[in-house]
Amino acid sequence: QVQLVESGGGVVQAGRSLRLSCAASGFTFSNYGVHWVRQAPGKGLEWVAVIWYDENNKYYADSVKGRFTVSRDNFRNTLYLQMNSLRAEDTAVYYCVRGGGRTVTYYLDYWGQGTLVTVSS
Amino acid sequence: DIVMTQTPLSSPVTLGQPASISCRSSQSLVHSDGNTYLSWLQQRPGQPPRLLIYKISNRFSGVPDRFSGSGAGTDFTLKISRVEAEDVGVYYCMQVTQFPHTFGQGTKLEIK
Repeated sequence: QVQLVESGGGVVQAGRSLRLSCAASGFTFSNYGVHWVRQAPGKGLEWVAVIWYDENNKYYADSVKGRFTVSRDNFRNTLYLQMNSLRAEDTAVYYCVRGGGRTVTYYLDYWGQGTLVTVSS
Repeated sequence: DIVMTQTPLSSPVTLGQPASISCRSSQSLVHSDGNTYLSWLQQRPGQPPRLLIYKISNRFSGVPDRFSGSGAGTDFTLKISRVEAEDVGVYYCMQVTQFPHTFGQGTKLEIK
């Protein structure tokens, strides 16, 4: 079955960096776009970034553009999110989510359990 | 950015009764390919979100048929024909027609 397992979350000081990973299994990872979506404590969902199946295109929310970088390793079936210059408002659970297509997001169909990032000031 | 507005934000419902959630987008969600990429997600307490409905009205695998979606253009609705206890949670509409993808604020479904 499709599984997405995030790791790398934790407590980090404002201004520092953190890298999240997402290990995918149960499907052909290299055939899908993959997204990051976050959820601040007690709040709603915010889309963060997507990377297409072949890494040729990436899109970001304005709130993270220039600070976060999404990448993937199709040999290791792993998605990454490099987060630099972290701010208190980046505190959230970060979900790794499979998109429904290679270069179009038809829908977000499978979600990981999430990893919590806490940015302390 | 496309703003997604849900109503109501809270919906107390009696078990076995229907429930309905509305979602309005600030601009048309019709993609250049002719499809409308409006989804509904359910988030039960303590769980990650789960896809219920995609492209307005298509139920995802394993979703009970008491859930249905409808609408067009900028106005969409999620209906639950008979609410069950396991339906408690927060429901989000989401558009993936355009970047950045955006979500509604969420509607909390609770049992009266």
